[in-house]
Amino acid sequence: DTAVSQTPKYLVTQMGNDKSIKCEQNLGHDTMYWYKQDSKKFLKIMFSYNNKELIINETVPNRFSPKSPDKAHLNLHINSLELGDSAVYFCASSQDLARTDTQYFGPGTRLTVL
Amino acid sequence: AQTVTQSQPEMSVQEAETVTLSCTYDTSENNYYLFWYKQPPSRQMILVIRQEAYKQQNATENRFSVNFQKAAKSFSLKISDSQLGDTAMYFCAFMKNNAGNNRKLIWGLGTSLGVNP
Repeated sequence: DTAVSQTPKYLVTQMGNDKSIKCEQNLGHDTMYWYKQDSKKFLKIMFSYNNKELIINETVPNRFSPKSPDKAHLNLHINSLELGDSAVYFCASSQDLARTDTQYFGPGTRLTVL
Repeated sequence: AQTVTQSQPEMSVQEAETVTLSCTYDTSENNYYLFWYKQPPSRQMILVIRQEAYKQQNATENRFSVNFQKAAKSFSLKISDSQLGDTAMYFCAFMKNNAGNNRKLIWGLGTSLGVNP
């Protein structure tokens, strides 16, 4: 019973391509997140959605566009991929903002841009 | 802005022994949460333990416990009876507990812990 799942787990692509990473959670959570972990293992928030509404949008190039078709899904689409986009991307989810706070993470997607 | 500092990039411990990982943070907030996450070689990010700032009692989860010193802004993780499976990168993280929607984890740079047989 996977709580937060991401597909694909590995993605290798050429510079300039467009790619998507999908995320789904079956925890009934209201809020979902995308984090980026760089080669030095540093983690940084990119986006957060609550009930399909964008609530956090950090300084991320507009080549990155999150899409939340429903509160159980938050996909990340990346246009015109660059070498610096190579990283591990984590999706996470948490319960209603007014209550709990713990974020549960997916397995990560390792993106390699050649 | 909040920051989280983990001053030990790498640590090692012998199996069955105890190890403490340090974490300090900087914030002007009074109401917040602190977390330790573990990232083993499998890459999965796993919650180890969490602490609410308003609680004076230190959180414990089996072999994992924290020493939360609010005044000193310190949040160390103690792992007792270390096991080989504890080998992982450990991240300390901070989150404001605000009524608004801006809940995001602020992360330290991590401590790589190796447990030796």
